[in-house]
Amino acid sequence: QKEVEQNSGPLSVPEGAIASLNCTYSDRGSQSFFWYRQYSGKSPELIMFIYSNGDKEDGRFTAQLNKASQYVSLLIRDSQPSDSATYLCAVRTANFGNEKLTFGTGTRLTIIP
Amino acid sequence: EAQVTQNPRYLITVTGKKLTVTCSQNMNHEYMSWYRQDPGLGLRQIYYSMNVEVTDKGDVPEGYKVSRKEKRNFPLILESPSPNQTSLYFCASSLIQRANTGELFFGEGSRLTVL
Repeated sequence: QKEVEQNSGPLSVPEGAIASLNCTYSDRGSQSFFWYRQYSGKSPELIMFIYSNGDKEDGRFTAQLNKASQYVSLLIRDSQPSDSATYLCAVRTANFGNEKLTFGTGTRLTIIP
Repeated sequence: EAQVTQNPRYLITVTGKKLTVTCSQNMNHEYMSWYRQDPGLGLRQIYYSMNVEVTDKGDVPEGYKVSRKEKRNFPLILESPSPNQTSLYFCASSLIQRANTGELFFGEGSRLTVL
């Protein structure tokens, strides 16, 4: 079982709709959860992080965390063509001395104009 | 401009020919790390460093070496490259106290092909 699992997609969403990206993780000791966006041929960039169960909103983005179900999601409201990218879920487990993030393989999102 | 700079960005080499991928950051970050990204496998950590002269293995260290003689530099060394090291490599850095926000700053990536 992979430590961090994501549906690879591609996920196609009409412009203006809500895009929903999902991620599950295997380590119950995981403490912090992150969403990175990676445009084709570019490096990943951090969009959001979440530590506590529930929702966290930042502009058009909402991260949702359910530790009991070991599930984290990212909602993108009012999707724009510029949101077309691969979204990487990353998980950090308490491990003194190594701030390693374990990444999922990413979900490719395409926003259709 | 705050950045992580990797060189070379693209490299084609042959099996067994030693090469070094350089990484430099200008943000005074303590933490630096190397990842490789492969289709279907995602980003996997190769090595990391918490500070000068402190390095340790990540998940896939075999075939790689690193050094951290200066805070700003963290080169990745392939002593005897093999075709299975063909990949896209990313260097990343962070302040230790910001690490819990997951705020890794990534370089632009180095695409390496080993023939």
